[in-house]
Parts: sequence; structure tokens; C-alpha cells
Amino acid sequence: SQKIEQNSEALNIQEGKTATLTCNYTNYSPAYLQWYRQDPGRGPVFLLLIRENEKEKRKERLKVTFDTTLKQSLFHITASQPADSATYLCALDNAGNMLTFGGGTRLMVKP
Amino acid sequence: GAVVSQHPSWVICKSGTSVKIECRSLDFQATTMFWYRQFPKQSLMLMATSNEGSKATYEQGVEKDKFLINHASLTLSTLTVTSAHPEDSSFYICSARPYTGELFFGEGSRLTVL
Repeated sequence: SQKIEQNSEALNIQEGKTATLTCNYTNYSPAYLQWYRQDPGRGPVFLLLIRENEKEKRKERLKVTFDTTLKQSLFHITASQPADSATYLCALDNAGNMLTFGGGTRLMVKP
Repeated sequence: GAVVSQHPSWVICKSGTSVKIECRSLDFQATTMFWYRQFPKQSLMLMATSNEGSKATYEQGVEKDKFLINHASLTLSTLTVTSAHPEDSSFYICSARPYTGELFFGEGSRLTVL
């Protein structure tokens, strides 16, 4: 069966360090992979989209990698700040107009 | 960037009543919108895909007669929770995607059924 796995345990890091979140999937052949941020009681907010033929994409302090051989995406936040504390969701898109979300990983950045 | 507006942001209703939630794409047309449900500390669960001008496509286990979806225009989809019960209390979120591919979400609607 298809699975998207994100670490369900919260990730706690110190301000200024790089946060790395992992998204692993099985039995998917996604055309795109997307990352979203969700704050408590709010709808998710789109961060980055990476295509299957792209290895890496950057946006300001964010970096996403996509390894279709390992079936894994890594999401990095450099120089993390307390304001980066949130739940981060990865989502797979098979280009069929539907996204499937992972369970999300909660990031806590301590000052 | 694209904006999706959802209303109301929270609603409290009595058991047995119906509640309507609206989802609007403010600056793009959306032939397809998506409705999700999210329980505390859990991920988004897709309930249904709303298709403009046609019937919605429901995910397995979602009662179409209980969760009525209407997508009457390219910028508006509504979700009506009929005969609501306390177990329907949840966070309902809509989303839409322009041609660029990313999904834009509404702010969510928290439903509490007493």
C-alpha cells in the first residue's frame, strides 16, 4: 500500500541551527513533491514544490532535496528562528490533480 | 500569491442542525477544490474533491449524503454538514490549486457540535 512517512516525534533544535525534516514514501511515483507549513488552528501554507527531475530547490533559508531512488525528500531550514516553529507537512502529487499528505513533523526552535 | 478564503472560521451548532462552510478562490478560477478534515494532532484527511458544475468525488468512508458539496461557480465551493452530531466536530479545511500546481488552503473552519 502507499505510504508517506514523516517523523511523528517533534524535532527540537536550538535557534541558529539547521533543522532537517524527512519525508519517506513507498509505492508512489510522484511527479511532484511539496512542503507545507501549518500553524495550530490554521490551514497549511505552501512553501516549496520540487519536481521529480529536480534534485534540489532553494528558497531563502529553505532547501528541499528530492531523491526518487531513495524515495525520500529532505527539508532544511538554515539559521532557524523561533518563528519557524510549526508543523511541516510533505505532500506527494502524482500529477493527477490530487495531493496526499504525510502526517507532519512538529518543529520547535528554542531561543 | 493566490488566496483562498474560507468562512466561517469557527461555528458552534446544536446536534441535528446543518452547517454550511464556504470556500472561495479570490484571485484565480478553480475548476477543482478539495475538502479536508483534520483531527487534533493528526494530518489532513481528504474528504472529497469538488468539481465545478458536476458532482463531487468522495473518498472512501465519507458519507456523501452527510457532507453535501456544491461547486456552483469557478470561485466558490460549499460544504454542508447535515444533521450534525458531536462526532462531526472537527477542523474542516478547503483548498484549491491554480495552474501552477501548488495548493492554496483556506484558513479552516472549526466546527463544534453540542
